[in-house]
Amino acid sequence: KAGVTQTPRYLIKTRGQQVTLSCSPISGHRSVSWYQQTPGQGLQFLFEYFSETQRNKGNFPGRFSGRQFSNSRSEMNVSTLELGDSALYLCASSLASGRDTQYFGPGTRLTVL
Amino acid sequence: DQQVKQNSPSLSVQEGRISILNCDYTNSMFDYFLWYKKYPAEGPTFLISISSIKDKNEDGRFTVFLNKSAKHLSLHIVPSQPGDSAVYFCAASPGIGGTSYGKLTFGQGTILTVHP
Repeated sequence: KAGVTQTPRYLIKTRGQQVTLSCSPISGHRSVSWYQQTPGQGLQFLFEYFSETQRNKGNFPGRFSGRQFSNSRSEMNVSTLELGDSALYLCASSLASGRDTQYFGPGTRLTVL
Repeated sequence: DQQVKQNSPSLSVQEGRISILNCDYTNSMFDYFLWYKKYPAEGPTFLISISSIKDKNEDGRFTVFLNKSAKHLSLHIVPSQPGDSAVYFCAASPGIGGTSYGKLTFGQGTILTVHP
């Protein structure tokens, strides 16, 4: 079974631009969670989607948003990019949530100049 | 407020010996715990998990112990191999429902180096 895939793997943007990252979950998985990893803050939860609905959200500004499609694929969008948004963005999929194990994709490395 | 803590930033072990990685948590609502292994520029790879109704779970060379009264868990790797060298994260979830959906809270990670 194919794992979680994320595109693109690397991205360079400038301040003020916006960016869209994509995540395809493991087949049959309906929950997709997004995380941001930075050297200073570690791995931090952004939000979770299930059946096209956002069920949970972390402590990030409204510039960070996401959505999920009917095939469970998910996108996250960051508008008005800031230097501090440079990070590894990871998505994880699971069957439903709660005690289901989350399996991570390889991540998208975003650099904001 | 860091709810999951890995107090050892790094650990160095000889090949063949035991590696013990530790993790403490403060949130009593956490009832499901996981360990992940991560290489640079890659996503975390799931290793092993444990539910709060258990105090031990084994999978091959990996064993996780949970001490709920102390709010402490540990990952034992026996025997350690050079290929185990990576960053290890513990993560916790409050279980099903409410504000817990899809949210794992991670520790800061421990860099494990296994020397040949």
